[in-house]
Amino acid sequence: SQQGEEDPQALSIQEGENATMNCSYKTSINNLQWYRQNSGRGLVHLILIRSNEREKHSGRLRVTLDTSKKSSSLLITASRAADTASYFCASRMDSSYKLIFGSGTRLLVRP
Amino acid sequence: DAGVIQSPRHEVTEMGQEVTLRCKPISGHNSLFWYRQTMMRGLELLIYFNNNVPIDDSGMPEDRFSAKMPNASFSTLKIQPSEPRDSAVYFCASSTTGQFYGYTFGSGTRLTVV
Repeated sequence: SQQGEEDPQALSIQEGENATMNCSYKTSINNLQWYRQNSGRGLVHLILIRSNEREKHSGRLRVTLDTSKKSSSLLITASRAADTASYFCASRMDSSYKLIFGSGTRLLVRP
Repeated sequence: DAGVIQSPRHEVTEMGQEVTLRCKPISGHNSLFWYRQTMMRGLELLIYFNNNVPIDDSGMPEDRFSAKMPNASFSTLKIQPSEPRDSAVYFCASSTTGQFYGYTFGSGTRLTVV
């Protein structure tokens, strides 16, 4: 069973706009990661945020983590058509090797 | 490094046949994972190896599935006999052992059992 749930399930925006995706998880975690999956391809690791961090940036990506609400968000600023993909959050519990993936958000960036 | 390499990319087989999926992890990564992705169930962890040893196979659906890792650079996932409900994309991923590392995924094998 999957621990993470993401919303929205699908998001369509215009190039240049910002895209925000949300993820919720159920149990205490050690870290939370975001991955991108282009159609027909494997998942690509984007960013990792530790449980003691609240916000992290990487290029046009901004991730926040609220452990009290067991939720995270991924913001992609100034989106490009090439950002069109599915985005997955993955949570890792303390003392666990397992990454539990959410159901994903399908992002479409219209040129 | 060429990344995680999976073969074949696509496999179409008849029900009842044996299917073998292959994976070459990134050199130096000592954790290897097999995942299955379907529309209905999303990404499911099937089995995890650490230093070539199977640590957790609780995600393997049934005895028809088996996985091996004879050395640090090669792993196989075998389905025998295959069934139509096994149709899915199977991913192999590798990682450095440790809490704060992400996984590197292969491009996957799309399996269709007819």
